[in-house]
Amino acid sequence: AQTVTQSQPEMSVQEAETVTLSCTYDTSENNYYLFWYKQPPSRQMILVIRQEAYKQQNATENRFSVNFQKAAKSFSLKISDSQLGDTAMYFCAFIDARGGGADGLTFGKGTHLIIQP
Amino acid sequence: DVKVTQSSRYLVKRTGEKVFLECVQDMDHENMFWYRQDPGLGLRLIYFSYDVKMKEKGDIPEGYSVSREKKERFSLILESASTNQTSMYLCASTRQGAGNTEAFFGQGTRLTVV
Repeated sequence: AQTVTQSQPEMSVQEAETVTLSCTYDTSENNYYLFWYKQPPSRQMILVIRQEAYKQQNATENRFSVNFQKAAKSFSLKISDSQLGDTAMYFCAFIDARGGGADGLTFGKGTHLIIQP
Repeated sequence: DVKVTQSSRYLVKRTGEKVFLECVQDMDHENMFWYRQDPGLGLRLIYFSYDVKMKEKGDIPEGYSVSREKKERFSLILESASTNQTSMYLCASTRQGAGNTEAFFGQGTRLTVV
């Protein structure tokens, strides 16, 4: 079984700063996908960024980028130029590619990120 | 606009009641999931389904059952609600065949059992 660990229950930074959220995972599989989801106070889960394990290049989406270290099983999220709207719970998630997505995502416990004005 | 819709945003039920949480998706997705979200515990998988009438237990199935009679609808059933089932419940769906596909979530149902 896979596990996902987020070691930072809560983080707080000033607006416009850069912040990095940590995530480690444990799996014996070689083909998998990793995700970061954002859950604002509205409770709607929103996909922030995804990474295919077979790709060495780190994924980026505008102000969001990841540092994917496959050997270390680490998948951190960097948010640049943080904005008040980035305040949310952030969840790291893993899915085994073998099942074609049928087995569902395994989530970490989440990091509550607060952006201070 | 793709959508996963949960029937209730807030629900209050009494201990011992039978509770139905409904989820409908309009994306023709094969896979559907029910998660439970609790502070400090993240999202935990209760049940999932990869086809009509098929169901699989997730990590915490005790006290729950599910029904999938139509492809677009996945129901979570609490046979006899208990106070320890007070939680946020999230439904999600994915397209089969691509593990990197985005999971789409409903807006969540906050269930309180009194």
